[in-house]
Amino acid sequence: EAGVVQSPRYKIIEKKQPVAFWCNPISGHNTLYWYLQNLGQGPELLIRYENEEAVDDSQLPKDRFSAERLKGVDSTLKIQPAELGDSAVYLCASSLWYQETQYFGPGTRLLVL
Amino acid sequence: SQQGEEDPQALSIQEGENATMNCSYKTSINNLQWYRQNSGRGLVHLILIRSNEREKHSGRLRVTLDTSKKSSSLLITASRAADTASYFCATVGGFGGNQGGKLIFGQGTELSVKP
Repeated sequence: EAGVVQSPRYKIIEKKQPVAFWCNPISGHNTLYWYLQNLGQGPELLIRYENEEAVDDSQLPKDRFSAERLKGVDSTLKIQPAELGDSAVYLCASSLWYQETQYFGPGTRLLVL
Repeated sequence: SQQGEEDPQALSIQEGENATMNCSYKTSINNLQWYRQNSGRGLVHLILIRSNEREKHSGRLRVTLDTSKKSSSLLITASRAADTASYFCATVGGFGGNQGGKLIFGQGTELSVKP
């Protein structure tokens, strides 16, 4: 069974530029999560989708961050414009909606210069 | 916001020794999970213990949960160099509303196992 796929793995951009991350969850998983992980910290949830619906986006900074999950499968997380403080690892995870175990992708490491 | 606090922040042991990591949390939970993260990689689920369970085993892993003290411990027996990683506890509140399935992570314990 293929795991959660994320791309790109690494991204370096200058501040004020836009950036987008892509995630393909495990086939059949209805729930998709985006997490932010700062260096030396545990991941923090940004947004959770149940199929196409964003059911928890309370931690998503909506002035610059946006996300979508078209057709309830792949998802894209966008930052526009990026700030220096956005440098972090962005993790995507998925689960069957009724399961509690989440399966994580390898993450995208973002560096904003 | 992170609910869990882990102790110690870093642990260095020799191969073959046991490693114990502790996690404390603040609010009532549905279950508590432990994840491992190797350098530069995503998180891998290790074990889940429910609020009505006190102890659980999986291979060389033993997890305990004390809901009265709001704490959990992860024991790795007979450690190997390949166990070198960061270990995170994560709590899940009750399902329902928009809290269902929401994992709240601790800050992690960095384990180094020397050959």
